[in-house]
Amino acid sequence: DAGVIQSPRHEVTEMGQEVTLRCKPISGHNSLFWYRQTMMRGLELLIYFNNNVPIDDSGMPEDRFSAKMPNASFSTLKIQPSEPRDSAVYFCASSWQGNQPQHFGDGTRLSIL
Amino acid sequence: SQQGEEDPQALSIQEGENATMNCSYKTSINNLQWYRQNSGRGLVHLILIRSNEREKHSGRLRVTLDTSKKSSSLLITASRAADTASYFCAPTNSGGSNYKLTFGKGTLLTVNP
Repeated sequence: DAGVIQSPRHEVTEMGQEVTLRCKPISGHNSLFWYRQTMMRGLELLIYFNNNVPIDDSGMPEDRFSAKMPNASFSTLKIQPSEPRDSAVYFCASSWQGNQPQHFGDGTRLSIL
Repeated sequence: SQQGEEDPQALSIQEGENATMNCSYKTSINNLQWYRQNSGRGLVHLILIRSNEREKHSGRLRVTLDTSKKSSSLLITASRAADTASYFCAPTNSGGSNYKLTFGKGTLLTVNP
């Protein structure tokens, strides 16, 4: 079975540009999570969706960040405008239910110059 | 939500030896999960132990849970070079926020061939 699929794997762009990260969760999973990982702050939960509805977005750092889940098989995380401090690895994860083990994608390594 | 704190921060052993990592947390839990992260990859779920369980095994992995001490340990027996990775524990609360995994800095395990 395919795992969680994220794209792109790497993204390098200049500050001020819009960045869109994409995630395809495992089929049948009703919970989707976006995380950000940096050396300084470790792994942080940004937003949690259940049945395509945002349940907890308390980790979204600023209004520049937005996330959508238009259907059960696709989610996006958008940063507009991007800043150098947004440079990090962004992970998407999904689970059968919110309190079950999470399956992570291999992340998008984002560099904002 | 609460964060697990892993100890030690780094551990270096020879292939064939056992590796033990510890996790401490602050408040009562619903369950506790252990994850592994290989360099440049997403987290992989290893094992989940519920609050009413004291020990659980999975292959070469043994996890213990002591709720009176609010601590857990992960033992990897007969380690291999491929076990080189960072290991994270994630305690989850009961109730409405039981989806929330708050990761610590992890234990970086290096298994030398």
